[in-house]
Amino acid sequence: EILLTQSPATLSLSPGERATLSCRASQSVSSCLAWYQQKPGQAPRLLIYDASNRATGIPARFSGSGSGTDFTLTISSLEPEDFAVYYCQQRSNSWTFGQGTKVEIK
Amino acid sequence: EVQLVESGGGLVQPGGSLRLSCAASGFTFSTYAMHWVRQAPGKGLEYVSAIGNNGDSTYYADSVKGRFTISRDNSKNTLYLQVGSLRADDMAVYYCARSGIRGYYDYWGQGTLVTVSS
Repeated sequence: EILLTQSPATLSLSPGERATLSCRASQSVSSCLAWYQQKPGQAPRLLIYDASNRATGIPARFSGSGSGTDFTLTISSLEPEDFAVYYCQQRSNSWTFGQGTKVEIK
Repeated sequence: EVQLVESGGGLVQPGGSLRLSCAASGFTFSTYAMHWVRQAPGKGLEYVSAIGNNGDSTYYADSVKGRFTISRDNSKNTLYLQVGSLRADDMAVYYCARSGIRGYYDYWGQGTLVTVSS
């Protein structure tokens, strides 16, 4: 099973700041990685697929990069609605999620 | 508009069983693979099971293999998950999700809660 490790567990930032979230795979997943956003009481929402492609309707402040085992989700300037939990997910070999990074208001 | 609506959750005793359903609308259900993903209270997301668009291929997480069964009825646009031999660590919100763009989860239902308790 491919394990995904996200860091940090919690990121405390202010609106307008840049957020950088990391996801590391236990073995290469090529570019078969997605990022999801989840707010309390809601289902997750697809943000980024294939490591760097924004899903439909996702603002340009969200960007993804990486390949192989190391991936990054960047939010260039945090808006109030961006404070949430973010998960990475791979589909290279079965399907697994990272444990999540919570982006909270500082 | 794509909609996925889960139902069938509830309170069940350890060792018991339930059948979860996911009614799909707004897209051609028979052309998409579908998945179940769960989330224990206060925890992260966990892949549970997947099924191919025509039901011929099924996949399970090791944690549920032999206890859960995924199926679908394309004539009814409905996905199912039969959950059995339930344990305390199966307690979670169960989401159905469409395997859409490039095989990722592009649409999710609102979830149905399974509570395992005596």
